Amino acid sequence: KAGVTQTPRYLIKTRGQQVTLSCSPISGHRSVSWYQQTPGQGLQFLFEYFSETQRNKGNFPGRFSGRQFSNSRSEMNVSTLELGDSALYLCASSLEPGSDNEQFFGPGTRLTVL
Amino acid sequence: GDSVTQMEGPVTLSEEAFLTINCTYTATGYPSLFWYVQYPGEGLQLLLKATKADDKGSNKGFEATYRKETTSFHLEKGSVQVSDSAVYFCALVGRGSTLGRLYFGRGTQLTVWP
Repeated sequence: KAGVTQTPRYLIKTRGQQVTLSCSPISGHRSVSWYQQTPGQGLQFLFEYFSETQRNKGNFPGRFSGRQFSNSRSEMNVSTLELGDSALYLCASSLEPGSDNEQFFGPGTRLTVL
Repeated sequence: GDSVTQMEGPVTLSEEAFLTINCTYTATGYPSLFWYVQYPGEGLQLLLKATKADDKGSNKGFEATYRKETTSFHLEKGSVQVSDSAVYFCALVGRGSTLGRLYFGRGTQLTVWP
C-alpha cells in the first residue's frame, strides 16, 4: 500500500511569508504527527493530530499551527516565516496514538526561507 | 522530562567492520525504544524496536538490547556494508500525556568505505 506522502517536496519562501505543508497518511491511519529537523536542533516534535483533534503540541511558537481533516490528511501552517524556520518538515502516521504503534514517516518537505 | 542521548559521530568504518552506536535514555517508567535510519534525501525508517526490558530488537543484521539497569539501547552490527551508510537515530516514545510522541537523539552519521 502507498506510504506517507508529503507535498510539496521542496519550497522556497521569503521572510514574512506564510506556508502550508500537506501530509497524506497511510490509508487507515488516523494519527498524524509533525516533526521539524534541523542540523542545529535535530528532530523536534511539533504536534500530533488524531481524529481531527490536536492531542499533543511541542514547544514551538504560535506561528506554527496545524489541522487534520476528516479523511485524516493533515496540514501544517507556518506564518510570518523567519530564517530559522528553514528545515526539513517530516510527517509521520500511525493507526492511532500508542506507545507501540509504529510510526511511518514521509519523505519530508524541505523548506528554505530566504 | 523524557530525553535520549546518543553518540553523535560521525562514524567512519571499513566494510565488514563491527559497529556500535551508543544510546542512553531518561524517562519515567519503561518506554518503548526504537532505532530509526535515514538515508540521504529520505524520511525516517524504523530499523528495530524493543518494548520492554531485556527485549532484543533485530533487523537486517542490526541488534539492540533494552537494558533498564543502564537505561541503554546500543545499536550493534557485526559486519557493516557500504549500503548501511546513513544517519541513525535512537528514540523513545512518550507515555501518559505525551503518548505517541517520539523523542529523538541527535543522530549518528555512519559512513562505510569499501
